[in-house]
Amino acid sequence: DAKTTQPNSMESNEEEPVHLPCNHSTISGTDYIHWYRQLPSQGPEYVIHGLTSNVNNRMASLAIAEDRKSSTLILHRATLRDAAVYYCILRDVRSGGGADGLTFGKGTHLIIQP
Amino acid sequence: DAGVTQSPTHLIKTRGQQVTLRCSPKSGHDTVSWYQQALGQGPQFIFQYYEEEERQRGNFPDRFSGHQFPNYSSELNVNALLLGDSALYLCASSTRNRGREKLFFGSGTQLSVL
Repeated sequence: DAKTTQPNSMESNEEEPVHLPCNHSTISGTDYIHWYRQLPSQGPEYVIHGLTSNVNNRMASLAIAEDRKSSTLILHRATLRDAAVYYCILRDVRSGGGADGLTFGKGTHLIIQP
Repeated sequence: DAGVTQSPTHLIKTRGQQVTLRCSPKSGHDTVSWYQQALGQGPQFIFQYYEEEERQRGNFPDRFSGHQFPNYSSELNVNALLLGDSALYLCASSTRNRGREKLFFGSGTQLSVL
């Protein structure tokens, strides 16, 4: 899987929007962009994924650059419960058998100030 | 609907011993993956089981082995434990769907090797 680059940490205030960036300059045309987050003392949790178009769900929005070399996870109104490590991961749709292992980096540690 | 369940939650072993960790996937899921997460790092893929066979393996030695049962539950076995095997071991379940499936993670087993 292609590599992603994320800031080590970010800080935001409660009830404000948060934009978490991810660079993936070597992304291929068949890579999906996935985001997971890991709250303290828990396993990772799926947040959102997309291929080319921007995506929205109840947890977040995913904005994908036109050239797909970067993306941004948007939390529209952060709460203290959003404090977690956020991972940006690329998954090749052609991967053998489909459900292959995820390649996690160190992610972005998001700190929410009350 | 129970999510992914792992047992035990915590385990203490000594060097050279063997350990077995257990995982029950989310209802309806047929694929189980195992990850190792060292302190301060992202999870690292160990291997994946589907239809009771190991389908993909990460960069882990043969001391790490697994099994999947007909009911889709899985075990992770680690032989000849080393101090460096101390980590959080995460189980994830999913269904087979190229590049797009969500993985659901358990809360993990914290293994300490003394």
